Amino acid sequence: GAGVSQSPSNKVTEKGKDVELRCDPISGHTALYWYRQSLGQGLEFLIYFQGNSAPDKSGLPSDRFSAERTGGSVSTLTIQRTQQEDSAVYLCASSLRISGSYEQYFGPGTRLTVT
Amino acid sequence: GQQLNQSPQSMFIQEGEDVSMNCTSSSIFNTWLWYKQDPGEGPVLLIALYKAGELTSNGRLTAQFGITRKDSFLNISASIPSDVGIYFCAGLEWETSYDKVIFGPGTSLSVIP
Repeated sequence: GAGVSQSPSNKVTEKGKDVELRCDPISGHTALYWYRQSLGQGLEFLIYFQGNSAPDKSGLPSDRFSAERTGGSVSTLTIQRTQQEDSAVYLCASSLRISGSYEQYFGPGTRLTVT
Repeated sequence: GQQLNQSPQSMFIQEGEDVSMNCTSSSIFNTWLWYKQDPGEGPVLLIALYKAGELTSNGRLTAQFGITRKDSFLNISASIPSDVGIYFCAGLEWETSYDKVIFGPGTSLSVIP
């Protein structure tokens, strides 16, 4: 595809359930980032992948959050035992990350609502 | 930890006016990025800056990478209604195997027709 895609676009789940959010980066982009954006707030960094490895997981809010990336492409962010404070828009971005090109391109986000 | 400050937090301007917003940090970055986010959408990259002192334009938008490498500004000339949105700056440190990206809290722009 031409851009970063994310699915689902919206997810409503009950407190305590697990959710999986998917990100398809731009083809050929080696770096992938997950961010969280609460209503009216800025972007909170969660995790960064270079290829399939995650050099920086420092932004994950708790051990209920995990992410993986396979084949240097698709990434899944998993939130276990969701809580109401997990409600937010989860944004994914990818980057070519070569000399002179570190721009991140964002997907449309997944809006998660925990009831 | 590192933080970016953006000012102003919000702006209300008349259509046709010029806009100026800036981003400051206590840390040095080697890349500055400016994004615009429309409601319900992901941020869209406007301008990327890679060199201290660099001045780059994209249509009516102009951005500069401060020479101290701790700040950047974005100007929008002759604003139009579709300029409405939230503008985020991001500072990026890139190393051999690791990126560290910090986003500012955003500047909300409203344009009055």
